[in-house]
Amino acid sequence: DTEVTQTPKHLVMGMTNKKSLKCEQHMGHRAMYWYKQKAKKPPELMFVYSYEKLSINESVPSRFSPECPNSSLLNLHLHALQPEDSALYLCASSRLGGGAHNEQFFGPGTRLTVL
Amino acid sequence: DAKTTQPNSMESNEEEPVHLPCNHSTISGTDYIHWYRQLPSQGPEYVIHGLTSNVNNRMASLAIAEDRKSSTLILHRATLRDAAVYYCIPAPNTGANSKLTFGKGITLSVRP
Repeated sequence: DTEVTQTPKHLVMGMTNKKSLKCEQHMGHRAMYWYKQKAKKPPELMFVYSYEKLSINESVPSRFSPECPNSSLLNLHLHALQPEDSALYLCASSRLGGGAHNEQFFGPGTRLTVL
Repeated sequence: DAKTTQPNSMESNEEEPVHLPCNHSTISGTDYIHWYRQLPSQGPEYVIHGLTSNVNNRMASLAIAEDRKSSTLILHRATLRDAAVYYCIPAPNTGANSKLTFGKGITLSVRP
């Protein structure tokens, strides 16, 4: 199984809502990533988790709160978002260390619209 | 992070070879050159990577300049399914905090 799944596929939320994005992989990968991709732009890294611990936060506003409850699951909790946060949110996973190439496997993304 | 320069777009005919260039003149000596592509309405997918020597896999070939300041991704016979945005990304090969910094990429169109 070389698949990263993301739910929901689409999400529309108001600026006062609280919602969560979910990402799951069963490849035994110990690194998981959140990226944000605006229309016609490249993906931008938001967070990296290594062994379920947050290792990189690319100065993301606190209205985005990541969580890695176990090695297979990654969540992104959303609260008080702004319309400019509307984007495609991509999750990825990879192996860690071992000297081998750590290819990142991406999910299909959640398309978020903030009204 | 090393800066990359790629043309905005390229066009190819189906079943013809395609050469996608990338300049990365500020690449560090330990960075590998990774190529990912993103098909429409999908997440990015890994294509190929290399350090100094040319590399081949089932998807593509990667030709790396001797000074490592540029590389070329070669699709030997383009298909309609190869229409995508192709990103070249200099990055470490491994490590606990490995991260991919995507540039603008090159949009490949394939004509039937």
